[in-house]
Amino acid sequence: ELKVEQNPLFLSMQEGKNYTIYCNYSTTSDRLYWYRQDPGKSLESLFVLLSNGAVKQEGRLMASLDTKARLSTLHITAAVHDLSATYFCAVDRERLWEVSNYQLIWGAGTKLIIKP
Amino acid sequence: GAGVSQSPSNKVTEKGKDVELRCDPISGHTALYWYRQSLGQGLEFLIYFQGNSAPDKSGLPSDRFSAERTGGSVSTLTIQRTQQEDSAVYLCASTARGLLNYEQYFGPGTRLTVT
Repeated sequence: ELKVEQNPLFLSMQEGKNYTIYCNYSTTSDRLYWYRQDPGKSLESLFVLLSNGAVKQEGRLMASLDTKARLSTLHITAAVHDLSATYFCAVDRERLWEVSNYQLIWGAGTKLIIKP
Repeated sequence: GAGVSQSPSNKVTEKGKDVELRCDPISGHTALYWYRQSLGQGLEFLIYFQGNSAPDKSGLPSDRFSAERTGGSVSTLTIQRTQQEDSAVYLCASTARGLLNYEQYFGPGTRLTVT
């Protein structure tokens, strides 16, 4: 069964702290996506990771991909309240050089609350 | 440039009525997806269109749900005889073809409330 599991599903943390959200998947994919959803809003793309060892950084967020371990991490450095949101990871069913059927498998989301 | 648009943004309907939700994808995007998101939950895949191929309807929860995509562009999701459990946000997304990156671009969603 094709699965994407996020851990934790809920995280409450203080401003200024560091933390990591984990995304484990069961396919052999090397295309992984991170999205952010603010309350009452739609999903916004954060990072696209397309190969083993890929690392992307934007501000206080950094995402990495280990295709051998089938694991992606989203690391938050010195968290600020504005990063409070739900974060989703999604994985393509196919390998990078294979024809994709364009469908993604989605994790359940990690709700992140950052307290001032 | 223009993103994915959806209409209406909010829809309140009485149980048993039919509703139509519209999605206008990004121009040139050949793949279009419908998802449903209940309050505080993740994404539930409903249906997927890719070019002229037959749609993947494997996620539709019942035969009350149907969708079509006209001219390879605009899509309409129809829910017949709505039930209270249909209340959710319906999200549409589109993807470009021919790239290694199959990132999905989401519309703002339609919040459906069945009373």
